[in-house]
Amino acid sequence: GENVEQHPSTLSVQEGDSAVIKCTYSDSASNYFPWYKQELGKRPQLIIDIRSNVGEKKDQRIAVTLNKTAKHFSLHITETQPEDSAVYFCAAHMMYSGGGADGLTFGKGTHLIIQP
Amino acid sequence: NAGVTQTPKFRVLKTGQSMTLLCAQDMNHEYMYWYRQDPGMGLRLIHYSVGEGTTAKGEVPDGYNVSRLKKQNFLLGLESAAPSQTSVYFCASSRRQGYTEAFFGQGTRLTVV
Repeated sequence: GENVEQHPSTLSVQEGDSAVIKCTYSDSASNYFPWYKQELGKRPQLIIDIRSNVGEKKDQRIAVTLNKTAKHFSLHITETQPEDSAVYFCAAHMMYSGGGADGLTFGKGTHLIIQP
Repeated sequence: NAGVTQTPKFRVLKTGQSMTLLCAQDMNHEYMYWYRQDPGMGLRLIHYSVGEGTTAKGEVPDGYNVSRLKKQNFLLGLESAAPSQTSVYFCASSRRQGYTEAFFGQGTRLTVV
């Protein structure tokens, strides 16, 4: 079926350094790619998203890039801070197999650890 | 300003017991979803609904049933709980087309012993 692959599963960086998380997707018709942040014991919350008509979007220290030809997109966090420690999920909008409806399919998540 | 609310937040069940998880949203969203989250497995879709009175199976539907009798509510039922259903369950909702943000509830931690 359609899926989203996310790498790495765990990422440890020094405070102040940059972090990059990568995802690939299988459905070439997908055109909406959000990123969610989940702090320990909390619900996932949207931090940034991108649609297929743009290649890059930035919001302060966070940016997302999209390569539709290669079917991959990435999350970039610069000047990392302790509060960036969390699990990050990528997602892609695609048709659900057999259901005739569409929605978000999530990657398995990346545990980002910011070392002081 | 509630958004998506799940009840209960925690529950412990014995094997074979049944229960219902309630999800309520006040944003007039058409789409609602139930996910389970297990370590290393991410968010896996159990069932979803594209409108009142409609439901469909997701990636891992076995052992669960759902109902959407009212637009604002989406119920997840476990008829005979098994230890493999120990997980954190999240409900989410989104606007009709699915090209928009999904809003999540706070989660329900279910333990089946």
